[in-house]
Amino acid sequence: ETGVTQSPTHLIKTRGQQVTLRCSSQSGHNTVSWYQQALGQGPQFIFQYYREEENGRGNFPPRFSGLQFPNYSSELNVNALELDDSALYLCASSIRLAGGLQETQYFGPGTRLLVL
Amino acid sequence: AQKVTQAQTEISVVEKEDVTLDCVYETRDTTYYLFWYKQPPSGELVFLIRRNSFDEQNEISGRYSWNFQKSTSSFNFTITASQVVDSAVYFCALSDPSNTGNQFYFGTGTSLTVIP
Repeated sequence: ETGVTQSPTHLIKTRGQQVTLRCSSQSGHNTVSWYQQALGQGPQFIFQYYREEENGRGNFPPRFSGLQFPNYSSELNVNALELDDSALYLCASSIRLAGGLQETQYFGPGTRLLVL
Repeated sequence: AQKVTQAQTEISVVEKEDVTLDCVYETRDTTYYLFWYKQPPSGELVFLIRRNSFDEQNEISGRYSWNFQKSTSSFNFTITASQVVDSAVYFCALSDPSNTGNQFYFGTGTSLTVIP
């Protein structure tokens, strides 16, 4: 096991609702990245947080937002849920080194979100 | 733009056969990292290997081996004497430090089924 935990494991919401997903990073890791994985696809980068600030974002609308806390844990918030938001949401933690280099990302078990 | 292609969508082999999973990548950067992850049905991405662009040595770890060839932009993964427990979806990923967020670019994955 990686030591990265996510909650909840499964979630069912209806269109238009809001959802918050949580991630605790591996001990010693200072960076958290979030990915969306649709069925049968590879994970797609949503954004990354480092030192409590967003540090890079993929092609996702502003209704996808996040937070990182001083203990390096993180939240992913999605507003105005759409049917296409149904997916596995993966959190990955890593160590960002001086100069911006990043070590390997270790993934949590994911949260399966179903939007009806 | 960075891109990872895994042309093999699904592969089935009989137990004890060898199998090679192909990965072809595109990047304009000279410094980058390549990864392989395994995703069992539980959903968690399990880290298998990381290789940086300056290290073209092939690597062997037990039944697993990796062949990195910059000349063909390929990073192939071979499982020797496959076992049922190897059944999973395998993802190849690319990361380069130059892009904000050090995001990982994943291929679409290869689903491997090992038949007993």
